[in-house]
Amino acid sequence: KQEVTQIPAALSVPEGENLVLNCSFTDSAIYNLQWFRQDPGKGLTSLLLIQSSQREQTSGRLNASLDKSSGRSTLYIAASQPGDSATYLCAVSPNRDDKIIFGKGTRLHILP
Amino acid sequence: EAGVVQSPRYKIIEKKQPVAFWCNPISGHNTLYWYRQNLGQGPELLIRYENEEAVDDSQLPKDRFSAERLKGVDSTLKIQPAELGDSAVYLCASSQTRGFTYEQYFGPGTRLTVT
Repeated sequence: KQEVTQIPAALSVPEGENLVLNCSFTDSAIYNLQWFRQDPGKGLTSLLLIQSSQREQTSGRLNASLDKSSGRSTLYIAASQPGDSATYLCAVSPNRDDKIIFGKGTRLHILP
Repeated sequence: EAGVVQSPRYKIIEKKQPVAFWCNPISGHNTLYWYRQNLGQGPELLIRYENEEAVDDSQLPKDRFSAERLKGVDSTLKIQPAELGDSAVYLCASSQTRGFTYEQYFGPGTRLTVT
């Protein structure tokens, strides 16, 4: 059974720092991996989607990497800003049949 | 382009009462999902529709939960009767498969409190 773990559960960093969020999954046979952002009281917003054949994806100050063989992904946020404060969720899809398995998320707080 | 619309945004009911949630997906999205998110947890899939057909409802507690997607567009998720443990955020999402990639778009959710 696929399990997704995110470490740390919560993180506070000063504004301007670069930071890394970690995600690990137990079964390396995945179709793709997504990183989502969730603001309090709101739904999820997809940030980056990495197909199983890809190693990384970039969007602005965000970079997500994928190492299938080790069952790991990282989300790198450069030059963090207070507006980056949110919960970041990692999710894997075991196959093309669309079912997503989420981690519990990392609550990120950027200190002004 | 309008996003996924859900209503109500908040609902407080007493246990044993019925409750229903409504979702309008993004226009043209054939796939619709209902998730439940407990506090401090990631969302868990309850049911997935391809057009009007429920293709994955293995996680739906069928003794009290029901869902429908008439005409393959809007969807309703119902709980009857509600229990204290049903308190959670119920999220609706939709997607349109594009080749070998897809992306799910989520609505803001309905926060249910059962007292």
